[in-house]
Amino acid sequence: GAVVSQHPSWVICKSGTSVKIECRSLDFQATTMFWYRQFPKQSLMLMATSNEGSKATYEQGVEKDKFLINHASLTLSTLTVTSAHPEDSSFYICSGSGTSGAYEQYFGPGTRLTVT
Amino acid sequence: DQQVKQNSPSLSVQEGRISILNCDYTNSMFDYFLWYKKYPAEGPTFLISISSIKDKNEDGRFTVFLNKSAKHLSLHIVPSQPGDSAVYFCAAIETSGSRLTFGEGTQLTVNP
Repeated sequence: GAVVSQHPSWVICKSGTSVKIECRSLDFQATTMFWYRQFPKQSLMLMATSNEGSKATYEQGVEKDKFLINHASLTLSTLTVTSAHPEDSSFYICSGSGTSGAYEQYFGPGTRLTVT
Repeated sequence: DQQVKQNSPSLSVQEGRISILNCDYTNSMFDYFLWYKKYPAEGPTFLISISSIKDKNEDGRFTVFLNKSAKHLSLHIVPSQPGDSAVYFCAAIETSGSRLTFGEGTQLTVNP
């Protein structure tokens, strides 16, 4: 099956600092990558969609200057949380979909961010 | 506006019996539906999907049923196993786009 990795799996940072999370598709080319966040006992909320080489499309209410997304290659997307605050603490999950026209997204294992 | 709803936050079944997880949607433009399984602190794992041109899709112990007129889908797991215990999310997509819309999830517990 399609494998997506995320790094780091968990990170603790101080308020005001920036954190970068990497998402890699290991065995397929992800033309589109997605970033979600999940609060405890809630569903996955889509933050943004990115296509390789293009600017990300952000969902309503998501600050694009705070959550910087780069999709530089067909196997790598990064999410940078800038000037992090405690309310940014969450579980961030990326996913990728390939070029075959299938609609399935394959998810990474997630990154637990804690801002102190 | 919750376009995909899973009204049962939890379900408990006995090992060997059938698990039935339900999902309703409101957006008639959705034409592809997926089920994902998620363990705590992990990303969702794709299970099974169905196109709106079908009413049933089966893969091993997992079968998804789609009732378009009722805007309802269900996932049947038979026989249920303790390892199936997880949160199950249904998701829907308009295939003209790429955006998945997820339900709130149902915690399935399969008791030995």
